[in-house]
Amino acid sequence: DTAVSQTPKYLVTQMGNDKSIKCEQNLGHDTMYWYKQDSKKFLKIMFSYNNKELIINETVPNRFSPKSPDKAHLNLHINSLELGDSAVYFCASSQWGDEKLFFGSGTQLSVL
Amino acid sequence: GIQVEQSPPDLILQEGANSTLRCNFSDSVNNLQWFHQNPWGQLINLFYIPSGTKQNGRLSATTVATERYSLLYISSSQTTDSGVYFCAVEDGQNFVFGPGTRLSVLP
Repeated sequence: DTAVSQTPKYLVTQMGNDKSIKCEQNLGHDTMYWYKQDSKKFLKIMFSYNNKELIINETVPNRFSPKSPDKAHLNLHINSLELGDSAVYFCASSQWGDEKLFFGSGTQLSVL
Repeated sequence: GIQVEQSPPDLILQEGANSTLRCNFSDSVNNLQWFHQNPWGQLINLFYIPSGTKQNGRLSATTVATERYSLLYISSSQTTDSGVYFCAVEDGQNFVFGPGTRLSVLP
């Protein structure tokens, strides 16, 4: 069983479209995250979500919105996609105050 | 927020060689982890090591929290060790990643 799974693995879309990436974890963790990895491999936090508290990185455009239907899911919605949104997006989870961070396999988003 | 640096940025090794990767951080931390991103893009957690030393096979890690650095040792490197190695430290309610060390192990 995959601990943190995200879909789709690849997403190719036109500028201006709206898209979503789904993430699910079966580890029973209480905190989930979205990270963006750019072409130079830098990993930057976008959001963390813990017990219904959302922590937003202030540099993230408001076109990006996380939605958590329950503790095991944290989806990422992106409105009005731009060329600069092209990147790999990783979902991750952890048990707050505990040890390890676990990542999904990533979603490569290409905006044309 | 906390700053994380890693060195060297790039490293090329012959199979069988040993290497040391370094992570420096700007403030005290309660959680530090090392990750390997393989050539297929998967991020694998190698160590949770806020202080002390741990070993897992050919890999070991040491964190000296009082001096704000951590080291990752790779011994008898193999081509499957290639990829990017990241350290990440806890900063409030998220993890801050260093820029990574890109390792290439040649056969």
